[in-house]
Amino acid sequence: SQQGEEDPQALSIQEGENATMNCSYKTSINNLQWYRQNSGRGLVHLILIRSNEREKHSGRLRVTLDTSKKSSSLLITASRAADTASYFCATDAGQGAQKLVFGQGTRLTINP
Amino acid sequence: ETGVTQSPTHLIKTRGQQVTLRCSSQSGHNTVSWYQQALGQGPQFIFQYYREEENGRGNFPPRFSGLQFPNYSSELNVNALELDDSALYLCASSLAFLPTQYFGPGTRLTVL
Repeated sequence: SQQGEEDPQALSIQEGENATMNCSYKTSINNLQWYRQNSGRGLVHLILIRSNEREKHSGRLRVTLDTSKKSSSLLITASRAADTASYFCATDAGQGAQKLVFGQGTRLTINP
Repeated sequence: ETGVTQSPTHLIKTRGQQVTLRCSSQSGHNTVSWYQQALGQGPQFIFQYYREEENGRGNFPPRFSGLQFPNYSSELNVNALELDDSALYLCASSLAFLPTQYFGPGTRLTVL
């Protein structure tokens, strides 16, 4: 079963605009990560935010985490055609194995 | 530094057959995790191997089994294939006790 859900399931914007994706999860976590997947290939790690952090930046990426609402958001600023991909949040409850629990993803399309 | 590699890229099997998928972990990584990703879904954790021992398992039946070798490479074996086993199988390597996982490109398995 999936840990959480991404919202929206699909997002289509113009190049240069900002894209915001949201993720909700169900259980307590140690950290939350965002991954990108191009065309059904492998996942690429984007950013990790720990449960005691509220906001983190990496280049054009900004991630927020609200543990009281069990939610996170990923903002991609100044989007580019190459950002077209599916984006997944993954949580790690940290109980033994590093078992990542993924949501169903947001399919982002950047139109030129 | 060599990334995570998987073989084969694609595979077609018939129901009831057995399949072995292979994964070479990123240089220096001692932990390997396997995930199943059905079309349109997020990856689901199958199991993880650390020091050649299974170190956590998801909600998958025993016909899904694995191995990890002394060089940290790994195999995923699936017996008595079912149609629902058709999916992208992802291998990810990591350092023990660290949350970020590095994914291979995946093996696309089709069961007819």
